[in-house]
Amino acid sequence: DAMVIQNPRYQVTQFGKPVTLSCSQTLNHNVMYWYQQKSSQAPKLLFHYYDKDFNNEADTPDNFQSRRPNTSFCFLDIRSPGLGDAAMYLCATSTRDYYGYTFGSGTRLTVV
Amino acid sequence: GESVGLHLPTLSVQEGDNSIINCAYSNSASDYFIWYKQESGKGPQFIIDIRSNMDKRQGQRVTVLLNKTVKHLSLQIAATQPGDSAVYFCADRDYGGSQGNLIFGKGTKLSVKP
Repeated sequence: DAMVIQNPRYQVTQFGKPVTLSCSQTLNHNVMYWYQQKSSQAPKLLFHYYDKDFNNEADTPDNFQSRRPNTSFCFLDIRSPGLGDAAMYLCATSTRDYYGYTFGSGTRLTVV
Repeated sequence: GESVGLHLPTLSVQEGDNSIINCAYSNSASDYFIWYKQESGKGPQFIIDIRSNMDKRQGQRVTVLLNKTVKHLSLQIAATQPGDSAVYFCADRDYGGSQGNLIFGKGTKLSVKP
């Protein structure tokens, strides 16, 4: 089945130690998104790629970066994780006309 | 959707009853709406969607109603089952203004009593 896969499901990192979360998709969707979801809150968009074009949300901290080396993969880099960055990170994709949104299962990040 | 605060509204229903979950959105330019179900520790799962040129759409046991006049969306679940227990989010899209990004509402936690 075509899907969005996130690895790892759980990630523990040390305060200030760079960490990378990964996402892959077999849907061949043009658009890939990264959302942050804190406990009991709605997902919040961090940024998205439309093909290779990167689009950052205005309130996304500089500490968060992203890479998309090809259509299938997208990475979320947190340069210096703080305790406040502990959250579920969700990857999603959509078609070029912004339909068919599909989410991965998420990566739960813990900062110690 | 409008996402504010840390406290999820909750809805508790008896197994077999119908559930109605409501959502308000703020962007009058939103043209597409989706309901998601999110179980604990998992990603959002698509339930049903509706475009702004419609006011009702039905799926299997679910119906979405859209009232653009008051910017209100609802999800009706018929014959609610224990497996329906989850947090439900509405999301809306403004194709022109935000490049198609989904904006999520605050979510409602549905608990189904057996």
